Amino acid sequence: AQTVTQSQPEMSVQEAETVTLSCTYDTSESNYYLFWYKQPPSRQMILVIRQEAYKQQNATENRFSVNFQKAAKSFSLKISDSQLGDTAMYFCAFADYNNAGNMLTFGGGTRLMVKP
Amino acid sequence: DADVTQTPRNRITKTGKRIMLECSQTKGHDRMYWYRQDPGLGLRLIYYSFDVKDINKGEISDGYSVSRQAQAKFSLSLESAIPNQTALYFCATSGTWDQPQHFGDGTRLSIL
Repeated sequence: AQTVTQSQPEMSVQEAETVTLSCTYDTSESNYYLFWYKQPPSRQMILVIRQEAYKQQNATENRFSVNFQKAAKSFSLKISDSQLGDTAMYFCAFADYNNAGNMLTFGGGTRLMVKP
Repeated sequence: DADVTQTPRNRITKTGKRIMLECSQTKGHDRMYWYRQDPGLGLRLIYYSFDVKDINKGEISDGYSVSRQAQAKFSLSLESAIPNQTALYFCATSGTWDQPQHFGDGTRLSIL
């Protein structure tokens, strides 16, 4: 079974600065996807970014980028130019598409506070 | 209108009651999922369905049942609610195997 670990329960950052959220995972599979989801106080689950394991290039979406280290099984999220609207819970998630039909395994989450 | 709609948004009930949480979607997706969110544990899969005739247990299915009434509707039931089922419940859908999941806005369930 896959596991996903987010070792930082809470983090804070000043507005306009950069912050990195950590995520590690454990799997024996070689073909999978990794995700970061954002959950603001409104409690919606919003997809931030997705990484395909077979792609060496790190995914980016505007101010959000990832550092994917497949051998180390690490998948960190970098938020540049942090904004107040980035305040949210962030979840790292894993999906094994070979056997489990894209069901997601989530980490415990990191609560990010962006301070003015 | 939301693509994935969950009802109710919030519910408070008593131990032993039967509860049904409903999920409907307009995305035309075959795959639907139910998760529960608990502090520090993230989201955990309760049940999933790949089509109307295909329903499968997830990681934490004990105490829950589901019904896939149509492609667009997937309901989660708690036959006899207990306090440790107090949580935030999410429904999600996806299309083909390589598409990300889309979530509803969640149902916050409190069992007293």
